[in-house]
Amino acid sequence: KQEVTQIPAALSVPEGENLVLNCSFTDSAIYNLQWFRQDPGKGLTSLLLIQSSQREQTSGRLNASLDKSSGRSTLYIAASQPGDSATYLCAVTSGSRLTFGEGTQLTVNP
Amino acid sequence: EAEVAQSPRYKITEKSQAVAFWCDPISGHATLYWYRQILGQGPELLVQFQDESVVDDSQLPKDRFSAERLKGVDSTLKIQPAELGDSAMYLCASSLYLAGAADTQYFGPGTRLTVL
Repeated sequence: KQEVTQIPAALSVPEGENLVLNCSFTDSAIYNLQWFRQDPGKGLTSLLLIQSSQREQTSGRLNASLDKSSGRSTLYIAASQPGDSATYLCAVTSGSRLTFGEGTQLTVNP
Repeated sequence: EAEVAQSPRYKITEKSQAVAFWCDPISGHATLYWYRQILGQGPELLVQFQDESVVDDSQLPKDRFSAERLKGVDSTLKIQPAELGDSAMYLCASSLYLAGAADTQYFGPGTRLTVL
């Protein structure tokens, strides 16, 4: 059974800082990995999707990397802003199922 | 931009009552998913439809939960009777194809259920 772990569970940083969120998964037989953002009480917004054959994806200030063989992914956020405050969820697709981690709650302080 | 619609947004009910949630996926999306998200945890798949057929309901508590997507478009998730432990956010998502190599799931705003 696929298990996804995210570290840290919570992170508080000052505005402008670069930061890294970590995700690990137990079964490397995945189709893809996605990073989502969730604001309090809201649904999920897909940020980046990395195919299993890719090493990284970039969107604006976000960069996600994937090392399938070691079962790890990182989400790098450059020059963080207060508007980045949210919970970030990592999810992997294996078979036809999306398995989520428990998320990292990010707070960016002005 | 097309979005997944869910209603109601919030629902408060008493234990042993019946509740129902509705989801309208993005037009043309063949696959529809229902997830349950307990506070502080990641979403967990309850049921997955491909058109009107159930693809995966292995984690759906079938003694009290039911889901249908009769015409392969919108879907209803029902809980009867509700229990205290059912308090959670219920998320609906849709994707163009079955989850796989090149597909993204688009999520609705969710229904927050509180069982008293």
